[in-house]
Amino acid sequence: DPKIIQKPKYLVAVTGSEKILICEQYLGHNAMYWYRQSAKKPLEFMFSYSYQKLMDNQTASSRFQPQSSKKNHLDLQITALKPDDSATYFCASSQETGGREQYFGPGTRLTVL
Amino acid sequence: GQGVEQPDNLMSVEGTFARVNCTYSTSGFNGLSWYQQREGHAPVFLSYVVLDGLKDSGHFSTFLSRSNGYSYLLLTELQIKDSASYLCAVRMPNYNVLYFGSGTKLTVEP
Repeated sequence: DPKIIQKPKYLVAVTGSEKILICEQYLGHNAMYWYRQSAKKPLEFMFSYSYQKLMDNQTASSRFQPQSSKKNHLDLQITALKPDDSATYFCASSQETGGREQYFGPGTRLTVL
Repeated sequence: GQGVEQPDNLMSVEGTFARVNCTYSTSGFNGLSWYQQREGHAPVFLSYVVLDGLKDSGHFSTFLSRSNGYSYLLLTELQIKDSASYLCAVRMPNYNVLYFGSGTKLTVEP
C-alpha cells in the first residue's frame, strides 16, 4: 500500500486558474514538506510543516499556499497559475522536523497552458 | 544563493564502481543526504552524513569533507539497475530546509 498519496498524478490547467494538490501520508510522521522539480532544475524546497504548523517557507510567491487540515495532510493551493509553474510537485514527510530521512510521494505533474 | 553542484552525467561498467561527486557552498551546513531518483519517480533516501570521513553502507558508501565542502557517493559492484539519477542535498542549520543539487545521471553499461 502506498505510504504517501498524492492526487492527482497528472494535472493540466489554464493560465490564471487555481488548483489544489493533495497530499496524505500514512507513515505516522509529524513533519511534511513540499518540493518542486522543473525540467533541468534541481529539486527545490518550498515549505516545511511540523505538527500542522508552518516552519519554513522558501517560496517567494504568495500564490502558493499550503493547507493542513489534519496532521497527515498537507495540500498545496496554487492560484493565478502561470506557465512557469509547470513542474512536478513532490510531497515528503519525516518522523520529526529536520528528519535525516525524508520519504517522498509519487508527485503531481502540473502543466499550465 | 545556495550552491550545491553535481556533474550532469556519469558512465560506468557493470561490475565496477562509480563515484558521484557533490560540492557545496552554502551559508550553513547540518549534514548532507544522498537520494536516488529514477526517471519519472520520486527520490528515495540512500544515506546521510554529517561527520568527516567515509561511511560504509554496503553497496553504497559516502564520504564527507566539511572543510572542502565536498562529498561523494561510491557505488560498488555496479548493476544495470543502478542506472538512475543521484541527488545530494545539504541540510541547513535550522534542520528543516534541504538544498538539492541538480543530480548526476549514472548510466551503467554491460
